[in-house]
Amino acid sequence: SQTIHQWPATLVQPVGSPLSLECTVEGTSNPNLYWYRQAAGRGLQLLFYSVGIGQISSEVPQNLSASRPQDRQFILSSKKLLLSDSGFYLCASETSGADTQYFGPGTRLTVL
Amino acid sequence: QKEVEQNSGPLSVPEGAIASLNCTYSDRGSQSFFWYRQYSGKSPELIMFIYSNGDKEDGRFTAQLNKASQYVSLLIRDSQPSDSATYLCAVNWNAGNMLTFGGGTRLMVKP
Repeated sequence: SQTIHQWPATLVQPVGSPLSLECTVEGTSNPNLYWYRQAAGRGLQLLFYSVGIGQISSEVPQNLSASRPQDRQFILSSKKLLLSDSGFYLCASETSGADTQYFGPGTRLTVL
Repeated sequence: QKEVEQNSGPLSVPEGAIASLNCTYSDRGSQSFFWYRQYSGKSPELIMFIYSNGDKEDGRFTAQLNKASQYVSLLIRDSQPSDSATYLCAVNWNAGNMLTFGGGTRLMVKP
């Protein structure tokens, strides 16, 4: 079975600072990878997904970007954080063809 | 716009009772349906998935799908206080493998 790692677990950043969140996956090859954000008391919002190295699709235009430099590594970035970027960021992995997404432990981001 | 709707709750049930969680979706073309459990402060954990009309049972959990009425439900038998969590319904619209999530139903099981 696959294991999904995310770091950092928590992060407090000032407005206007950069951001880099990392997700790595073990136990599967060529997974589909997803970034979600969950605002406090809200549902999950899909931000980005990737079906392979260098292939990124964006669902919500905003000041965030994603990259996939390696098969099992997915990075979420921002050049300048906004207050509205606060939330719980979740990486999900899906074995190609399996149609089932599993979530990592998440990163809780607070922008002050 | 494709939507997945859930009553936010809280749904309060006594220990040992059956908890019934419901979810409706807007697109008749939806192919697969998922239930996730999310404890406060934690990430969602997959409980069950269902593709075909009818019931699917896994231990104390039963997923029910009715595509004609566009709803999917989750029954939890013999509810325990440890089942207290938010339950998220997710739907795959068969447009790639992207899921759309409902807002979740908070379940409280009282001893």
